[in-house]
Amino acid sequence: DSGVTQTPKHLITATGQRVTLRCSPRSGDLSVYWYQQSLDQGLQFLIQYYNGEERAKGNILERFSAQQFPDLHSELNLSSLELGDSALYFCASSVVGGGASELFFGEGSRLTVL
Amino acid sequence: DQQVKQNSPSLSVQEGRISILNCDYTNSMFDYFLWYKKYPAEGPTFLISISSIKDKNEDGRFTVFLNKSAKHLSLHIVPSQPGDSAVYFCAASGANSKLTFGKGITLSVRP
Repeated sequence: DSGVTQTPKHLITATGQRVTLRCSPRSGDLSVYWYQQSLDQGLQFLIQYYNGEERAKGNILERFSAQQFPDLHSELNLSSLELGDSALYFCASSVVGGGASELFFGEGSRLTVL
Repeated sequence: DQQVKQNSPSLSVQEGRISILNCDYTNSMFDYFLWYKKYPAEGPTFLISISSIKDKNEDGRFTVFLNKSAKHLSLHIVPSQPGDSAVYFCAASGANSKLTFGKGITLSVRP
């Protein structure tokens, strides 16, 4: 158990819909990261928040947005969903916001868009 | 643009033998490298890391080697055990701490 909690574990929805994925980081971790893993792809970095502020942005689509709340949990919002958005979405957390640091991953949220 | 490359999608080894997993990177600004292991239906878990100031780091059966001039790192598992069967991701980071992952390699250890 990494200490990172993600909900829901599985989600099935239709194209055009909007979903919200939730992440609670490990106790004491200030940074939250979101990654997407599609079929046959590695983990693609989407976005990082540190103590409520956006710290780094990766290959995140404009249809996607995220935020980190004062209690440090984070939500990833995916809208106007397309078939290609079907993937595993991982949240990870770390203590620091910059420099070398290992990340602790949740079990992921599997999104299926039909 | 794949900055971290794991060119072999899979590797099969006999129990007790050595497993060597390779990883190449293109970004010379990377200064910290990590290996993660992932079992089905679980999130990746940290395995071992190495800073660019070192060329080797060892933790039990796991050793990571870094060749900066070749921009290459490898993970050695000795001896390999059936429980090591998993997907292994190589990752690298620079000053901004964002981890860039490779596509992963599936290791199968045959009893």
